Amino acid sequence: AQSVTQLGSHVSVSEGALVLLRCNYSSSVPPYLFWYVQYPNQGLQLLLKYTSAATLVKGINGFEAEFKKSETSFHLTKPSAHMSDAAEYFCAVSVSTGVFKTIFGAGTRLFVKA
Amino acid sequence: DAMVIQNPRYQVTQFGKPVTLSCSQTLNHNVMYWYQQKSSQAPKLLFHYYDKDFNNEADTPDNFQSRRPNTSFCFLDIRSPGLGDAAMYLCATSRARSDETQYFGPGTRLLVL
Repeated sequence: AQSVTQLGSHVSVSEGALVLLRCNYSSSVPPYLFWYVQYPNQGLQLLLKYTSAATLVKGINGFEAEFKKSETSFHLTKPSAHMSDAAEYFCAVSVSTGVFKTIFGAGTRLFVKA
Repeated sequence: DAMVIQNPRYQVTQFGKPVTLSCSQTLNHNVMYWYQQKSSQAPKLLFHYYDKDFNNEADTPDNFQSRRPNTSFCFLDIRSPGLGDAAMYLCATSRARSDETQYFGPGTRLLVL
């Protein structure tokens, strides 16, 4: 069965520092992988997605993620954190059971210190 | 801009009083989903519609129902809300069964008094 594990429920970085949010997946077939961001009392916004094209995926707001099949990982990075990046981040895998369903990780809350 | 719209953004209801949440989309997508997200948890799929075909998740309580009168609108009905149903409810769409990407609305936060 497909699943997603996010390592670290909370991550704190200083403004300007590297952001690294970890995600490992389990999938018996080539996965579709996503990162979503959620600001307080908001819906989910798609940051980026991997769909078996380039392994390094660039998304919005300066984020990128690298698909590593050997490590079953899809970690999210940003070279320099901004205060506005403070939010909840969800890694997700999309699986087809006739129609695609999205399975979310537990989420990682990113704090950015001034 | 094409989008997924949820109304209201905040809904307060009383214990046991039926409540309906609304979702509309201007994307003309065939699939619509409803998720429940409790505080500090990941979204959990309740059910989805592929066109007019309704698909319930196995662990979705009977208290939750849904209607999709046309392509653009989908409703979530909670027949007798309990305190444990207080959550953020997210609507999402995808273009087709073969489309792996979902687009989310802003959510409706439900408070049960």
